[in-house]
Amino acid sequence: DVKVTQSSRYLVKRTGEKVFLECVQDMDHENMFWYRQDPGLGLRLIYFSYDVKMKEKGDIPEGYSVSREKKERFSLILESASTNQTSMYLCATQAGGAFYGYTFGSGTRLTVV
Amino acid sequence: GNSVTQMEGPVTLSEEAFLTINCTYTATGYPSLFWYVQYPGEGLQLLLKATKADDKGSNKGFEATYRKETTSFHLEKGSVQVSDSAVYFCALTLAGANSKLTFGKGITLSVRP
Repeated sequence: DVKVTQSSRYLVKRTGEKVFLECVQDMDHENMFWYRQDPGLGLRLIYFSYDVKMKEKGDIPEGYSVSREKKERFSLILESASTNQTSMYLCATQAGGAFYGYTFGSGTRLTVV
Repeated sequence: GNSVTQMEGPVTLSEEAFLTINCTYTATGYPSLFWYVQYPGEGLQLLLKATKADDKGSNKGFEATYRKETTSFHLEKGSVQVSDSAVYFCALTLAGANSKLTFGKGITLSVRP
């Protein structure tokens, strides 16, 4: 089974801090995604990547950036954390092709104070 | 564009009750359809999927049939258990190697003993 590991389950950061959320997968999947999940809003796509050093904006990229230097690792960066970025962040991978769904990590619940 | 609409929640049922969670979609092409489940404190897991009209996906007693004529993919289970309490997401993706999932907003199911 594919394993997608997010580095932290819970994180508390201060307003203005630069925050790094890490996601590592062990199955050589090309496609990786970052979502945030908020009550009543469902999942919203922040950024995604189809290959190393490649990134594309999702629906809500403002205030975020990403890095994919190696195929197995996809990092989400909050340049200057704000309280409205308090959320659950979910990383997902996909082998490629419409038939394959996503494999998700367990999520990181980030609180910005 | 593509979108997924789920019935409003939350849903509360007694153990052994029959479950239906409605999901309808709009898509610019011929989508593959998925149901994901999120247990408390965890990431999303693929529950079942269907890739063409009239296909039935099934897993853990849950079923959903891809209905192209009504653009629907309703989730059903004949007898729910307390352990089925979770958030359920319907999703779609279109064909292509770099396909993204479009999610519904999710619905919370609570099953009481």
